[in-house]
Amino acid sequence: GAGVSQSPRYKVAKRGQDVALRCDPISGHVSLFWYQQALGQGPEFLTYFQNEAQLDKSGLPSDRFFAERPEGSVSTLKIQRTQQEDSAVYLCASSLQDSSNQPQHFGDGTRLSIL
Amino acid sequence: KQEVTQIPAALSVPEGENLVLNCSFTDSAIYNLQWFRQDPGKGLTSLLLIQSSQREQTSGRLNASLDKSSGRSTLYIAASQPGDSATYLCAVRGGYSTLTFGKGTMLLVSP
Repeated sequence: GAGVSQSPRYKVAKRGQDVALRCDPISGHVSLFWYQQALGQGPEFLTYFQNEAQLDKSGLPSDRFFAERPEGSVSTLKIQRTQQEDSAVYLCASSLQDSSNQPQHFGDGTRLSIL
Repeated sequence: KQEVTQIPAALSVPEGENLVLNCSFTDSAIYNLQWFRQDPGKGLTSLLLIQSSQREQTSGRLNASLDKSSGRSTLYIAASQPGDSATYLCAVRGGYSTLTFGKGTMLLVSP
């Protein structure tokens, strides 16, 4: 497809399980971003990649969160030992290049529910 | 730390009205400001992007203004339609490449 694709769309996990969320950015987009959106809130930045390099991970809430983009295209956000407060929508965005005049294009997100 | 505030939190108008959504930010050192639309259960759709050197951008019935020195932006929607019903989010790009979002304004346009 032409847009940012995220999978799965919905994920339910028991507290303590590990989860992996996938993002396929728009083809050729250099920059990739992960955001966390709690119910009724705006998205909050988690981490940023330029190609395969993770340039900023200051928004990751704990060391249970890990993101990678090994070949500079698809990215995976992994959450280990999930907790209830991890329940949120996780949004992925990509942009053509790291430039101030490039908009970020968002996927539909993965809705994560931790029981 | 940058903070973005959107007023009002919710707005309900009859079809055909012109309306204004407000966004304010605390740190004026920004690269750009972006307005997004979010439909329920969906991701964000970019509506308008205003560079820090620009004062406004227009797309169809939408017009966004930026006053960087006072830390304010407005999104003007002309002749609103029921299809405009959604949550509108304002985001500013500072520092690196990250966006800081407001909590959004939930708009309902009734027929």
